Amino acid sequence: NAGVTQTPKFRILKIGQSMTLQCAQDMNHNYMYWYRQDPGMGLKLIYYSVGAGITDKGEVPNGYNVSRSTTEDFPLRLELAAPSQTSVYFCASWVGADNEKLFFGSGTQLSVL
Amino acid sequence: RKEVEQDPGPFNVPEGATVAFNCTYSNSASQSFFWYRQDCRKEPKLLMSVYSSGNEDGRFTAQLNRASQYISLLIRDSKLSDSATYLCVVMDYSGGGADGLTFGKGTHLIIQP
Repeated sequence: NAGVTQTPKFRILKIGQSMTLQCAQDMNHNYMYWYRQDPGMGLKLIYYSVGAGITDKGEVPNGYNVSRSTTEDFPLRLELAAPSQTSVYFCASWVGADNEKLFFGSGTQLSVL
Repeated sequence: RKEVEQDPGPFNVPEGATVAFNCTYSNSASQSFFWYRQDCRKEPKLLMSVYSSGNEDGRFTAQLNRASQYISLLIRDSKLSDSATYLCVVMDYSGGGADGLTFGKGTHLIIQP
């Protein structure tokens, strides 16, 4: 198993550009999450999904969109990039059961200039 | 709203010392508890689960106090390599579309030579 795969690892965007952060997991996990982490700060939940076809907003959803057409994939879309979206983005997945750990991707460092 | 609170630190501790920090949670129905370690600009990685009876893994000991709703992490004989941010994660797998996870903002630990 590859676990959670995130791409790209680094990206620089200009203000107003769009991009999609890719996240895929091969563990058949139902729960998937997108977090952002600003320097020196904790993780903030952007969006999450409890299964294919189901998504919901987290704490900081503005400026982002997600889709979950399959169990494996959970892409995060930035439509009009803004400097406030400069951050490190982590995707994670969880089987959704007690005492089962959360798996993280290696992160995407995004700069919007 | 579920809350998980941690002292952000930093905790500056000399090498070889023992350090402990707590994490309090607000949801009494929470079911699973974990400590994750996060190095700078890296994804969080599972350090250890926290069981009701307390558990130990080498120099690390985790405790759960359900009555007072906190978990603790004790690190003995601290090493320079223990310098990191320690995240408390509380899981509440109640289904029904809930995100099921709440992260603390992390406690920053610096081990000094």
